[in-house]
Amino acid sequence: NAGVMQNPRHLVRRRGQEARLRCSPMKGHSHVYWYRQLPEEGLKFMVYLQKENIIDESGMPKERFSAEFPKEGPSILRIQQVVRGDSAAYFCASSSTGFDAGNTIYFGEGSWLTVV
Amino acid sequence: KQEVTQIPAALSVPEGENLVLNCSFTDSAIYNLQWFRQDPGKGLTSLLLIQSSQREQTSGRLNASLDKSSGRSTLYIAASQPGDSATYLCAFLTSGTYKYIFGTGTRLKVLA
Repeated sequence: NAGVMQNPRHLVRRRGQEARLRCSPMKGHSHVYWYRQLPEEGLKFMVYLQKENIIDESGMPKERFSAEFPKEGPSILRIQQVVRGDSAAYFCASSSTGFDAGNTIYFGEGSWLTVV
Repeated sequence: KQEVTQIPAALSVPEGENLVLNCSFTDSAIYNLQWFRQDPGKGLTSLLLIQSSQREQTSGRLNASLDKSSGRSTLYIAASQPGDSATYLCAFLTSGTYKYIFGTGTRLKVLA
């Protein structure tokens, strides 16, 4: 049973380019969360998605960032016109149910974005 | 503002020692708290989850406690081993939300 799969693991982009990060949740999981870990900071919530729905994107920067979780295929976090401050580790997590006190969420290995 | 503070930020100990890692949080209305392990360049592995109605959880050499009234959780590691070297993160979920609030972690190094 594969865990949460993220790719690419490492991505280098020049300023102004686009970055696309993909996340396949664990089998049977329909809830996906994206978190960002800036250097020397804790993980910060970005967005919560279910299939074809964005439930909460309150942690997403207002511009250049978007996320989707289509009916088929992985969840995608898209960053347009990247800037150096976007350099971070982006973690995807999934759960079988949503809001549940006893529910463990499972994290992927992360995608490390470096903007040069 | 909801915050999580982890003390110490870094810790280096000889093998075999018993360790206590501390986590304090500002919101007493937590729904659950999790301790995670993060290895360099890797994702997060959930170690222990404590629901708000529980006071502690144990798994092998790990024991985590939760005191909501004082806003504290501790992770106790017994008989530490070099393989325990990693960053340990605590995160809590507030009632009515699904956003975990993470601390910045304690970087542990266990020397052989």
